[in-house]
Amino acid sequence: QKEVEQDPGPLSVPEGAIVSLNCTYSNSAFQYFMWYRQYSRKGPELLMYTYSSGNKEDGRFTAQVDKSSKYISLFIRDSQPSDSATYLCAMTSVQGAQKLVFGQGTRLTINP
Amino acid sequence: NAGVTQTPKFRILKIGQSMTLQCTQDMNHNYMYWYRQDPGMGLKLIYYSVGAGITDKGEVPNGYNVSRSTTEDFPLRLELAAPSQTSVYFCASSLSGGRVNEQFFGPGTRLTVL
Repeated sequence: QKEVEQDPGPLSVPEGAIVSLNCTYSNSAFQYFMWYRQYSRKGPELLMYTYSSGNKEDGRFTAQVDKSSKYISLFIRDSQPSDSATYLCAMTSVQGAQKLVFGQGTRLTINP
Repeated sequence: NAGVTQTPKFRILKIGQSMTLQCTQDMNHNYMYWYRQDPGMGLKLIYYSVGAGITDKGEVPNGYNVSRSTTEDFPLRLELAAPSQTSVYFCASSLSGGRVNEQFFGPGTRLTVL
């Protein structure tokens, strides 16, 4: 069983839709959860960061962590064509960078 | 600041050849990482370094070597290239002690081994 599972998609939705991206994990020691966004032929960049359980909102993006279910989500409201990218979840048990475990990434396309 | 830079952008190797992928960062980060990304497979850690002179293996180190003689540079060496090493390689860096586990990635090197 992989430590982190993420549906690779692809996922295609119309502009303005609410998008839900998800990851499950098996290591109960994970406490730091991240979402990276990767545009085509570019390196990933950090989008959202959460510690332990709960929600965090940043503009149209909401990150949610449910440690009891070992499940994390990223919601995108009012999705825009510029949101089209691959979204990778990442997590670690250690604060302050060091080794991250990444999901496979979900390729998302927002259609105008 | 240029951030993390990688050279070359693209490379085609023949089986058995060797090459070095270059990575430089100008953010004075002490942590540096090498990942490979295969289609639909996410990022897999090859090697990482917590400072000059210190390196350690990641999840998939076989067939690769690294060195870290300066804070800025973290080259990745492929000896005896194999088709299984066809991938996109990303170098990343981060600052130790920070609360956020943010890694800054370079633009990647696309490597094909034929």
